Amino acid sequence: EAGVTQFPSHSVIEKGQTVTLRCDPISGHDNLYWYRRVMGKEIKFLLHFVKESKQDESGMPNNRFLAERTGGTYSTLKVQPAELEDSGVYFCASNLAGSDTQYFGPGTRLTVL
Amino acid sequence: GESVGLHLPTLSVQEGDNSIINCAYSNSASDYFIWYKQESGKGPQFIIDIRSNMDKRQGQRVTVLLNKTVKHLSLQIAATQPGDSAVYFCAEGRSGTYKYIFGTGTRLKVLA
Repeated sequence: EAGVTQFPSHSVIEKGQTVTLRCDPISGHDNLYWYRRVMGKEIKFLLHFVKESKQDESGMPNNRFLAERTGGTYSTLKVQPAELEDSGVYFCASNLAGSDTQYFGPGTRLTVL
Repeated sequence: GESVGLHLPTLSVQEGDNSIINCAYSNSASDYFIWYKQESGKGPQFIIDIRSNMDKRQGQRVTVLLNKTVKHLSLQIAATQPGDSAVYFCAEGRSGTYKYIFGTGTRLKVLA
C-alpha cells in the first residue's frame, strides 16, 4: 500500500511569489493533516481535514495560507504571497476515522528567498 | 538535510548498546503518546505509541515508558544498530482533538 505522498519535494521561490504544495493521503484515509517545521523550531500543527471539511485550522499562521481538499481526496496548501519566514518543511499526515496514529509523508522543503 | 539550522540535543551511543531517549510533554490532559523516527530526507515514521492508561509498552527492540506524574516519556532501543541513527520525536495527543504536539527532537548517533 502506498504511503502519504507529497509534491514537490523541494521548492525554491522568491518572496512575494505563490507556491502550492500537494498532499495525497493514504487511500481511504478520511483524516488529513498539515504540519510544518520552520527553521530551529519543532513540528507544529497547521490544520486538520475530515474528508473535504476543515475540522480544525487553529494552527494556520495567517491568511496568506489557504488549504483545500476538494472531493475529500488530495489536499493542497497554497502560500500567497510567500514571506521569508515561511521557509521550512511542510508535512502532510493522514489516518483513518477513529484512529489516533497519524502517518506522515516525506515533506516538502520550502525555501523563500 | 532537513535539520540544518535546527540545534537538536544529540545522543551518541556505541553500536550494540542500549539507547534511552527522553521527552517531557506539556499537557497533562494528553492521553496518547507516540514516538516517531525521522531519517534524513524522509518524513516521521511511526515507531510505537502508548495510551495514558499504561506505563509501559514494548515493541520489537523498543520500549516506551510513560510517567504521568512528572509528564515524562522515554524511548528505549535495545542493541542499537547503525540503522537506528536518526532524529527521534515524541508527540502527544488528546482523544477527540487529533492534533499532535511535538517535542523538539533528539538526534541519535550510533558509533561503530
